[in-house]
Amino acid sequence: EAGVAQSPRYKIIEKRQSVAFWCNPISGHATLYWYQQILGQGPKLLIQFQNNGVVDDSQLPKDRFSAERLKGVDSTLKIQPAKLEDSAVYLCASSLDRGHEQYFGPGTRLTVT
Amino acid sequence: AQSVTQLDSHVSVSEGTPVLLRCNYSSSYSPSLFWYVQHPNKGLQLLLKYTSAATLVKGINGFEAEFKKSETSFHLTKPSAHMSDAAEYFCVVSDQGFTGGGNKLTFGTGTQLKVEL
Repeated sequence: EAGVAQSPRYKIIEKRQSVAFWCNPISGHATLYWYQQILGQGPKLLIQFQNNGVVDDSQLPKDRFSAERLKGVDSTLKIQPAKLEDSAVYLCASSLDRGHEQYFGPGTRLTVT
Repeated sequence: AQSVTQLDSHVSVSEGTPVLLRCNYSSSYSPSLFWYVQHPNKGLQLLLKYTSAATLVKGINGFEAEFKKSETSFHLTKPSAHMSDAAEYFCVVSDQGFTGGGNKLTFGTGTQLKVEL
């Protein structure tokens, strides 16, 4: 069974530029999560989707971050404009449904200069 | 509200000696508790989970953890460390009383395990 795929694996941008990350969850998984992991900290949930609907985006900085999962499968996370403090690893995870084990992708390491 | 505290940011052991990674939790409800491992450039992998069944939980690769409600602890142990155990370990709590989306995970800050020859 293929795992959660993410791309790109690494990205370097300058502040005020925009960037987008892509996630392909495990086939058949209804729930998709985006986490932000700042160096030295544990992952923090940014947004949770159930199929193509948002369940929880309470920790998403909505003035600059946006995410979508239009067909209930792949998802993209966008930052516009980026700030220095957005430098982090962005992790995507999926689970069969709410309350089930979450499977994590390898992450995208973002560096904002 | 839920939170976890990992008491050690770095732990160093010799190969073949026991491993102890400490975790304390706080939760308003009966929590589910997990340990995840993160190897460099790889995704987080679930080691084990406690969900109100047996208090001693066995996981993969010889790891186990004991849920102690009176101490609000969920320490991770392994009798004999192997070089391949070197990684970062996260203690995670899920508040079963959370009604917003189900299974919201709150991560600790991580413990980096170093295994020396």
